[in-house]
Amino acid sequence: EAQVTQNPRYLITVTGKKLTVTCSQNMNHEYMSWYRQDPGLGLRQIYYSMNVEVTDKGDVPEGYKVSRKEKRNFPLILESPSPNQTSLYFCASSLSPGATEAFFGQGTRLTVV
Amino acid sequence: AQSVAQPEDQVNVAEGNPLTVKCTYSVSGNPYLFWYVQYPNRGLQFLLKYITGDNLVKGSYGFEAEFNKSQTSFHLKKPSALVSDSALYFCAVRDMERLSFQKLVFGTGTRLLVSP
Repeated sequence: EAQVTQNPRYLITVTGKKLTVTCSQNMNHEYMSWYRQDPGLGLRQIYYSMNVEVTDKGDVPEGYKVSRKEKRNFPLILESPSPNQTSLYFCASSLSPGATEAFFGQGTRLTVV
Repeated sequence: AQSVAQPEDQVNVAEGNPLTVKCTYSVSGNPYLFWYVQYPNRGLQFLLKYITGDNLVKGSYGFEAEFNKSQTSFHLKKPSALVSDSALYFCAVRDMERLSFQKLVFGTGTRLLVSP
């Protein structure tokens, strides 16, 4: 089954404790991206990757890092989480960044206390 | 920069009645337009897209959307709503004539509530 898998689904952590949210897709998609969803703001892009070893900032990259060492994986790293990073996070992939639709993971609800 | 507006936070409709969820967009070039639906505790699911061609686009679960270039709108419609259509709906756009064409810009979402 074609899917985007995120882990964990839920995470509560403390300020400053490094964490990684994993994302993996099994569709051989070149393009992957991370979004955060906040009430009243919709989804905002954090980082994206056009292919292996090619990543770039989205609209809200501060406080986040990503890597793309393999085509299927695109982890999101929070080196020093802060409470304003409490949010619902989605990973997405698509065959290309153009006309094709994006496939989304089920989301990771992160709470930073 | 491209942007999307969904003017209604919530739309209420009775089961069996037609529904419309509104979306307007702003781009400098040609838009690629998308609708996604989010059910509780789930990721976003693709419903339909407009790339080119017919202005009326048909998608999953009986939904359709009409592209109107002069009004820069892409409203989502369904002739007869079901209770199971209750969810959060997002409109999104890509501006294909900008260097940032890869970016999918989302609206703030509209919650659809269909009452029995």
